[in-house]
Amino acid sequence: RKEVEQDPGPFNVPEGATVAFNCTYSNSASQSFFWYRQDCRKEPKLLMSVYSSGNEDGRFTAQLNRASQYISLLIRDSKLSDSATYLCVVVMNTGFQKLVFGTGTRLLVSP
Amino acid sequence: DAGITQSPRHKVTETGTPVTLRCHQTENHRYMYWYRQDPGHGLRLIHYSYGVKDTDKGEVSDGYSVSRSKTEDFLLTLESATSSQTSVYFCAISVSGNTEAFFGQGTRLTVV
Repeated sequence: RKEVEQDPGPFNVPEGATVAFNCTYSNSASQSFFWYRQDCRKEPKLLMSVYSSGNEDGRFTAQLNRASQYISLLIRDSKLSDSATYLCVVVMNTGFQKLVFGTGTRLLVSP
Repeated sequence: DAGITQSPRHKVTETGTPVTLRCHQTENHRYMYWYRQDPGHGLRLIHYSYGVKDTDKGEVSDGYSVSRSKTEDFLLTLESATSSQTSVYFCAISVSGNTEAFFGQGTRLTVV
């Protein structure tokens, strides 16, 4: 089982749609979680951290479910500019705390 | 944007030659990382550093070595480049091991 798993997509949605991505992780002791966005041929950029209580930043909402070991990202009112790959990131503690990346979920928002 | 610079940005090299990629940061972050990104595999950790002269292996370290003689510089060396090392290499920095990381713009390496 991969340490961090994501549906690769692509998710094709029209502008204005709401779309949700899930990500599961294997290490129940993981404490920190993030969502990154990566545009084609660019570096990953931090989108938001994921807190136990959930957090919201404008149209983006991140949730953590520790019992089921998954995190989610909800995007409301999708924009064309949201088209990108979204990477789920989990901090694993295996003697050293390291960031483990999912392979990403590709989102395509169309007019 | 975090002050991270990777050089070179693009490189084509021949099989069997040594190659060194440089990552330079101006943030004074303690942790630095080298990742490679390939289709279908996502980002995989090659080596990381948690301080000057303190480095350790990641999950795909074979064929790579690193050095960190100053806080701001983290070098990745391909000792004898192979075609399987054709990839996009990203450097990242973070304040600590469990905080978010910030990435450089990447180095696109082609081994022919």
